[in-house]
Amino acid sequence: GAGVSQSPSNKVTEKGKDVELRCDPISGHTALYWYRQRLGQGLEFLIYFQGNSAPDKSGLPSDRFSAERTGESVSTLTIQRTQQEDSAVYLCASSLVRLTRGDTEAFFGQGTRLTVV
Amino acid sequence: SQQGEEDPQALSIQEGENATMNCSYKTSINNLQWYRQNSGRGLVHLILIRSNEREKHSGRLRVTLDTSKKSSSLLITASRAADTASYFCATGSNQAGTALIFGKGTTLSVSS
Repeated sequence: GAGVSQSPSNKVTEKGKDVELRCDPISGHTALYWYRQRLGQGLEFLIYFQGNSAPDKSGLPSDRFSAERTGESVSTLTIQRTQQEDSAVYLCASSLVRLTRGDTEAFFGQGTRLTVV
Repeated sequence: SQQGEEDPQALSIQEGENATMNCSYKTSINNLQWYRQNSGRGLVHLILIRSNEREKHSGRLRVTLDTSKKSSSLLITASRAADTASYFCATGSNQAGTALIFGKGTTLSVSS
């Protein structure tokens, strides 16, 4: 596709259930990011993938959160045993990391709005 | 903790007026970017300014960067109702790792 695609667009789940969110980055983009945005707040960095390098997981808030990415393709963010405080919009972005580190424009998907009830 | 902090948190202006938003950051950066978000969904990249640049223009947008003060400003000239959105600055820094770090944003309302 032409842009970053995320699914589902909306997800309502019961507290304690596991959820899986999907992100299809722009073809050829080696970098992929997951962010969380609570209502009225800024973007909170969760995890970053760069090609086949070890991901930067420093933003994951707890061990209930995990993410996978195979090569330079689809990524999934999994939240286990969801809690009400997990309710937020989860945004995925991808970028083409160039040799000069100054150019890292990110392209965002429309996000998945997760509601834990 | 978040790298960028936008100011003001909210701004309301009339169509045709200019809107100025500021961003301050804490560590050294490679670049600073401004993004726009409509209705709490995906962000759209507006403009990128590198650490060795001081000013950049794109259409009605003007961005300045002062690395000595660790601050940037985004000016939208001749604003339109369609400019109503949230605006975020994001910094790219080796010290912060490889991810873009975003501020909390400025919510701009332009009334006609």
